[in-house]
Amino acid sequence: QVQLQESGPGLVKPSETLSLTCTVSGGSINSYYWSWIRQPPGKGLEWIGYIHYSGSTNYNPSLKSRVTISVDTSKNQFSLKLSSVTAADTAVYYCARHVTSSSCFGYWGQGTLVTVSS
Amino acid sequence: DIQMTQSPSTLSASVGDRVTITCRASQSISSWLAWYQQKPGKAPKLLIYKASSLESGVPSRFSGSGSGTEFTLTISSLQPDDFATYSCQQYNSYPWTFGQGTKVEIK
Repeated sequence: QVQLQESGPGLVKPSETLSLTCTVSGGSINSYYWSWIRQPPGKGLEWIGYIHYSGSTNYNPSLKSRVTISVDTSKNQFSLKLSSVTAADTAVYYCARHVTSSSCFGYWGQGTLVTVSS
Repeated sequence: DIQMTQSPSTLSASVGDRVTITCRASQSISSWLAWYQQKPGKAPKLLIYKASSLESGVPSRFSGSGSGTEFTLTISSLQPDDFATYSCQQYNSYPWTFGQGTKVEIK
């Protein structure tokens, strides 16, 4: 069974860069698409962007200027960097694997709360 | 962006009730719609994809229907484990977007 686990700092200062890593176990990162999704406290879900194991990416235009998603197939990991963060970026961040041949999300990490505060 | 609007925002129901949640898209998304269930402090769980296809392992009391701009998620007989928040997601066009969620509460 595929498992995903997010890791990274839970507190980031305003204007700095948020960095998270998703480690995939129980399966290979190859042959799939992988996304980052976030959920501000008490609010709905927002898709941030995806990466294919080949390295191709697609980002939400609302975040595109600040987002970089990368993949390390040797470590079975993919990562998120979000620059110039503000309090509005405070959220639970999830990594997820796409359903085969689809663009919905069949496997999710447990999520990690990132708070932006000085 | 395609806006996804769910109704109602909150729904109070009893065990055994038939429950229907509606999701409307601001433009046609064909059948490219998914439904998720989320419990407090947990990640969403995929229930339905392509509007009406049941994800493996999901109980058959869950069903989805619709196409174009209007979609429904139906729980045929609400069980205690079903009290949760349900969200729809369109994946017809970028950026993929979610509804705001419908919370199903115990009546």
